[in-house]
Amino acid sequence: SSELTQDPAVSVALGQTVRITCQGDTLRTYYATWYQQKPGQAPVLVIYGNINRPSGIPDRFSGSSSGNTASLTITGAQAEDEADYYCNSRDSTGNHLVFGGGTKLTVL
Amino acid sequence: QVQLQESGPGLVKPSETLSLTCTVSGGSISSYYWSWVRQPPGKGLEWIGYMYYSGTPSYNPSLKSRVTISVDTSKIQFSLTLSSVTAADTAVYYCAGLTASPYYYFDLWGRGTLVTVSS
Repeated sequence: SSELTQDPAVSVALGQTVRITCQGDTLRTYYATWYQQKPGQAPVLVIYGNINRPSGIPDRFSGSSSGNTASLTITGAQAEDEADYYCNSRDSTGNHLVFGGGTKLTVL
Repeated sequence: QVQLQESGPGLVKPSETLSLTCTVSGGSISSYYWSWVRQPPGKGLEWIGYMYYSGTPSYNPSLKSRVTISVDTSKIQFSLTLSSVTAADTAVYYCAGLTASPYYYFDLWGRGTLVTVSS
């Protein structure tokens, strides 16, 4: 079982704001990373270090963290944002990595 | 522009060893911690392990007894071997570059290769 817990599915109306969460005790200590994965494609990094957005990622994607919960927020969701989103961080030992189970985002 | 490309058999028999290679092009072998991530069909991502070219590898505890990651600096390649495979090891295997200071994140991915375990 994963040490990081995500809701399996979330939906959002086109143009609205959605928050995808990731819970785990290790998030109190270690930074969260977020990946977007579309069908048949490799994951793409969208947020690292809880809040940092790589170049080329639209600024509608933002990250935050509080306590044992990291969040990915999409402000003004677009149809192309429909994808699976995975959080990732270190495990309780600090020596290994772990992914959350993933959240399937549907844009209505 | 650093690119990664996985190669290896797409079909492995149960109890045998899965072997994959990732070729790094356009970059230095010292730029990343070289990693493997897999994804069973219809399921989520699973971290397998990583290794810096000059360091000690780190493996997923659930796979540690069966997995080896190695780096060939002369060929600018890194490899994955997974022994005693079963149908549960059927997955798309991604090689990836991990940046690990101060944040840990995979910012470089191969396209992935499907490995099926079947007789």
